Amino acid sequence: SQTIHQWPATLVQPVGSPLSLECTVEGTSNPNLYWYRQAAGRGLQLLFYSVGIGQISSEVPQNLSASRPQDRQFILSSKKLLLSDSGFYLCAWSGDAYEQYFGPGTRLTVT
Amino acid sequence: KNEVEQSPQNLTAQEGEFITINCSYSVGISALHWLQQHPGGGIVSLFMLSSGKKKHGRLIATINIQEKHSSLHITASHPRDSAVYICAVLSYNTDKLIFGTGTRLQVFP
Repeated sequence: SQTIHQWPATLVQPVGSPLSLECTVEGTSNPNLYWYRQAAGRGLQLLFYSVGIGQISSEVPQNLSASRPQDRQFILSSKKLLLSDSGFYLCAWSGDAYEQYFGPGTRLTVT
Repeated sequence: KNEVEQSPQNLTAQEGEFITINCSYSVGISALHWLQQHPGGGIVSLFMLSSGKKKHGRLIATINIQEKHSSLHITASHPRDSAVYICAVLSYNTDKLIFGTGTRLQVFP
């Protein structure tokens, strides 16, 4: 069966520090991968999606970036965090069907 | 106007009540998802619909493609149903999910 992992679960970082969130998927190959953010009191927003290794599409201009170094690994990064980057970050994957499967999420607080 | 609208935004109920959450959308879709988000933040997919009706335990989801409307029903609600319920549509044109802002449900014993 398929499993999606995210870490860390929670993170508190100062403004201006770098960020690296990792997402890995098990039990499937060549998944579509997604990074979503949910800011406090707001709905989910798609940040990045990837249909293959090295293929990243950005949905929202910001100081975040994403990379897919391996088929089942998706990384969200920032060189310098802003206060507005605080939120709940979700990784998700989908296969050939329309279903999307969400990871457990990372709660990021930028102080 | 948001492409996906949910109502109500907040809902309180007594244990045992029948609950309905509504979702309307304005874009062409391939599928519609109902998601459940618990206070810790984790999201669970409850249903994916492209037509008709699906039932899982006490949960029922319906969709009317012509009217661009879906409903999520919870029968015999229980405090453990307390969560945020999110409607998301998979856009036919972009192949990406568009999310509603969610309905916060609290069920009291």
